[in-house]
Amino acid sequence: EVQLLESGGGLVQPGGSLSLSCAASGFTFSSYAMHWVRQAPGKGLEYVSAISTNGDRTYYANSVKGRFTISRDNSKNTLYLQMGSLRGEDVAVYYCARDGCSGGGCYGWFDAWGQGILVTVSS
Amino acid sequence: DIVMTQSPDSLAVSLGERATINCKSSQSVLYTSNNKNYLAWYQQKPGQPPKLLIYWASTRESGVPDRFSGSGSGTDFTLTISSLQAEDVAVYYCQQYYTTPPYTFGQGTKLEIK
Repeated sequence: EVQLLESGGGLVQPGGSLSLSCAASGFTFSSYAMHWVRQAPGKGLEYVSAISTNGDRTYYANSVKGRFTISRDNSKNTLYLQMGSLRGEDVAVYYCARDGCSGGGCYGWFDAWGQGILVTVSS
Repeated sequence: DIVMTQSPDSLAVSLGERATINCKSSQSVLYTSNNKNYLAWYQQKPGQPPKLLIYWASTRESGVPDRFSGSGSGTDFTLTISSLQAEDVAVYYCQQYYTTPPYTFGQGTKLEIK
């Protein structure tokens, strides 16, 4: 069974930093690009970041570029999101998600999601 | 960035009736070399993560009931639930994956029972 389990969320002061982890199991982690998607309370889904299978390519939404860093450790089957210079608008549930694959290729839909972890930014 | 716009924002449908949700992209998400539309649909129930329903605009994910169907091409897409069940109450999102990331989602459509 594919499982994604986020951890590391919590309360941080404005301007502070926080690191999220996503532990993957039930599939060959190193074969899949991975993503972070967030959802502010009562709002819709917002795409945050992506990382290629071996970590050589990373992508970010403009809203987090320069403040967030995505990374992965394929030996530990774990995805990370290092978040810095946190702001009130970063308050959200953060989901990790697996890239969807079909017919030997992977394309950018998300076929597995974690349960999400809440990040709160407040003084 | 490609902007995804869903309509309506909310929808109330009677049990057993058809529900239709629209999604419009600001530019075409049809990749002409493979004739595929890079468009997915998700269902999110309260307190749960999103669940993939459809990819390639019309391909149902494994295990998704066949009352869910996707259609459309280019810039205009539709998610149809042919006979609404109580468990279909949720927020539905479209998402384009045509570009390199960052991808974009529609704002969501809340589906309720009338």
